[in-house]
Amino acid sequence: EVQLVESGGGLVQPGGSLRLSCAASGFSFSISRMAWVRQAPGKGLEWVAYIKQDGSERYYVDSVKGRFTISRDNAENSLFLQMNSLRAEDTAVYYCARRRKYTAPRPGIFYYAMDVWGQGTTVTVSS
Amino acid sequence: DIQMTQSPSSLSASVGDSVTITCRASQSLNSYLNWYQQKPGKAPNLLIYGTTSLQSGVPSRFSGSGSGTEFTLSIRSLQPEDFAIYYCQQSDSYPHTFGQGTQLEIK
Repeated sequence: EVQLVESGGGLVQPGGSLRLSCAASGFSFSISRMAWVRQAPGKGLEWVAYIKQDGSERYYVDSVKGRFTISRDNAENSLFLQMNSLRAEDTAVYYCARRRKYTAPRPGIFYYAMDVWGQGTTVTVSS
Repeated sequence: DIQMTQSPSSLSASVGDSVTITCRASQSLNSYLNWYQQKPGKAPNLLIYGTTSLQSGVPSRFSGSGSGTEFTLSIRSLQPEDFAIYYCQQSDSYPHTFGQGTQLEIK
């Protein structure tokens, strides 16, 4: 069964740090692009970060640049999100997701979408 | 960053109805537009990628269309399990922003 399981969430004070983990199983993690998406309480989805298969490309939403770091361990089939200098506005459910590559009808064109999601882990930043 | 705007923000419909949700982008997306469905307390579920392609396992009553900056998700003959929140997402350029969501409620 294809599965992603997040862990590492919890309550942390403003300015603190937390490291989220995402354990992958049932598919070839080492050849999969991965991402983190978050959802603040009662709010919509926010794309947070992305990492290529070998870690050579990483992108972040502006609001977390310089504070969050996405990484992976292909030998352990694991994705991580190191979150530093946490703020109240980082409070959210954090989902890891596989970003799958689809072939488009036109030659040489590919589409990307998040086809597998974890159940989420809750991060609460509060004093 | 590309801004994604969905309309309406909420929608009431009955089982058996057909509905359409619109997503507008602040710049052209070259068909790099995805749709997700989210039910309360659950992770999102991919419905459509590349504007029109149905994800495996998704019922054919869901369809997507559009180009450039305007895209639509259509659901025909609504079923009870379709009442949820729907999000569009662009994958043209980073960050891959989402729309604010459209809540589809039972009338």
